[in-house]
Amino acid sequence: AQKVTQAQTEISVVEKEDVTLDCVYETRDTTYYLFWYKQPPSGELVFLIRRNSFDEQNEISGRYSWNFQKSTSSFNFTITASQVVDSAVYFCALSEATDYKLSFGAGTTVTVRA
Amino acid sequence: GAVVSQHPSWVICKSGTSVKIECRSLDFQATTMFWYRQFPKQSLMLMATSNEGSKATYEQGVEKDKFLINHASLTLSTLTVTSAHPEDSSFYICSGATPSSTDTQYFGPGTRLTVL
Repeated sequence: AQKVTQAQTEISVVEKEDVTLDCVYETRDTTYYLFWYKQPPSGELVFLIRRNSFDEQNEISGRYSWNFQKSTSSFNFTITASQVVDSAVYFCALSEATDYKLSFGAGTTVTVRA
Repeated sequence: GAVVSQHPSWVICKSGTSVKIECRSLDFQATTMFWYRQFPKQSLMLMATSNEGSKATYEQGVEKDKFLINHASLTLSTLTVTSAHPEDSSFYICSGATPSSTDTQYFGPGTRLTVL
């Protein structure tokens, strides 16, 4: 069963627009971890954030912000004032404390046009 | 800190040959290493989990005799694709985790394998 669902396959925006990437997850564990990774064309995964299931505080890091809502099993990611360098594939992932294996969503390709 | 390297970064081989990919944790001891495969425009799929000194645990559908994984030391894991075929062409990514932080994986830069 799909544990992580990223509903948007592709998003295209013009520079300076905000972009929100949706992520919905499914787990029976009470202890789990959620991640967002960026994968630029080079292929190397860039870690963006890790959030454990007991910490529902939203987080902001520069132009990036994350909204964790356990009630809806969602962990959405917003890029504010997007830039061309933000163009990449973004993956949401889930790790359960039972085995720590990472389940990745299908990814969302973000294209920011100048 | 927490740097993982992979070698080679890309490799082209002929069908039927074997290819070895190395994954090294440069500044930490990775008791657990993971191997992922990513086909073009797809997500990362976990192939196997290996613990140092133990046999790897393979995910359903991954042939353990085709994808040989060795995790002989705390800083090195190798993936050997035996008798490679064009359908094995993919991006292979490894990651490492430490005993104190098993919930966080540190990823290597990936190896692009092309089988002709």
